[in-house]
Amino acid sequence: QSVLTQPPSVSAAPGQEVTISCSGSSSNIGNNYVSWYQQLPGTAPKLLIYDNNKRPSGIPDRFSGSKSGTSATLGITGLQTGDEADYYCGTWDSSLRWVFGGGTKLTVL
Amino acid sequence: EVQLLDSGGGLVQPGGSLRLSCAASGFTFSNYAMSWVRQAPGKGLEWVLGISGSGGSTYYADSVKGRFTISRDNSKNTLYLQMNSLRAEDTAVYYCASHLTTVTTPQDYWGQGTLVTVSS
Repeated sequence: QSVLTQPPSVSAAPGQEVTISCSGSSSNIGNNYVSWYQQLPGTAPKLLIYDNNKRPSGIPDRFSGSKSGTSATLGITGLQTGDEADYYCGTWDSSLRWVFGGGTKLTVL
Repeated sequence: EVQLLDSGGGLVQPGGSLRLSCAASGFTFSNYAMSWVRQAPGKGLEWVLGISGSGGSTYYADSVKGRFTISRDNSKNTLYLQMNSLRAEDTAVYYCASHLTTVTTPQDYWGQGTLVTVSS
């Protein structure tokens, strides 16, 4: 049982937009920045979004993040088949540990 | 170019021990916190341990407290994970990861992972 709650899967057609939600509590998302990670099949996770809505160098602006209260959202526009991956949210928790969501599998139909 | 090279994984019996290493290059290792994150087969990410840049502060998930130890040798640019009293549920790919700055910031670079299998 993950501390952060994500939908197990989402899907959309190429070119469309999709959002992935991440729900937590005041001990984690409510008082800390949220990050998002992309894990392509068979590879290590990759930082996609940090500090709620910032993109590391090289991440296209098709990826965006937002946070409100104890929830966060990852948005992906202009979906491509190469975006098919597992997506995880993560944040620091007041119990002095990192916590992740259970992951969301994105299928581009 | 930042590189993190995980090594040391393998097959170990329940109750056994194993030490993982993570060789870092391409950045000033001592300036950045590091973590180990694991992923059981077909499951999600689980953060297990973190350590400050100096090595003076360490952080543990409850699932490994008292069994696993994280350490670093900044003179060798290497991170370690000592795993004792291993259980079947510790079977996972273990990734080392560097943080943007302190351990409370996100992991921006990840190793390729090393597989630990605990089985008799």
